[in-house]
Amino acid sequence: AQRVTQPEKLLSVFKGAPVELKCNYSYSGSPELFWYVQYSRQRLQLLLRHISRESIKGFTADLNKGETSFHLKKPFAQEEDSAMYYCALSQPSGSRLTFGEGTQLTVNP
Amino acid sequence: GAGVSQSPSNKVTEKGKDVELRCDPISGHTALYWYRQSLGQGLEFLIYFQGNSAPDKSGLPSDRFSAERTGGSVSTLTIQRTQQEDSAVYLCASSFRLGGTNYGYTFGSGTRLTVV
Repeated sequence: AQRVTQPEKLLSVFKGAPVELKCNYSYSGSPELFWYVQYSRQRLQLLLRHISRESIKGFTADLNKGETSFHLKKPFAQEEDSAMYYCALSQPSGSRLTFGEGTQLTVNP
Repeated sequence: GAGVSQSPSNKVTEKGKDVELRCDPISGHTALYWYRQSLGQGLEFLIYFQGNSAPDKSGLPSDRFSAERTGGSVSTLTIQRTQQEDSAVYLCASSFRLGGTNYGYTFGSGTRLTVV
């Protein structure tokens, strides 16, 4: 069975500090990994997918198959980064997404 | 349409009543998904449609939950005899699926269901 774990429900940092949101997964094959973000009173939207290897809004995430992790990182957090972040997994050629429970990030001024 | 549209945005219902939640996917998106977002439980997959058929409905929590999709477009999620534990935000998503790959996986803003 596939599972996504985000160990931190809440994470608080100061503006300009580095931030890392942790995500670990369990899956026997080679999954697709995603990060979704939900800003206050807005809909859930895709932030990153591992196959794109891109940086969005200064965030990056590297898939570590050895550690089965897909941590989200940003070197200098901004107040507008405050949001709920969800890590998600999909089987190759799969349809459904399996989400972690989410991490609420607060960036303090 | 420009995005995934869900209605109503909020629904308060009495325990035991039936409710219908509607999802209008992005035009041309062949795949449609329902998820449930509960406080402290993250997002939970409910059902997936490809066209009008549902190859994966394994996430429906009980036989009180059903969903249909007509014309390869609009979908309705029905909850019969609602219970308080059904209170959650119900999210719909759609994508264009080709060769086993999803393109443009987009979520709606959800329907907040409160059962009193």
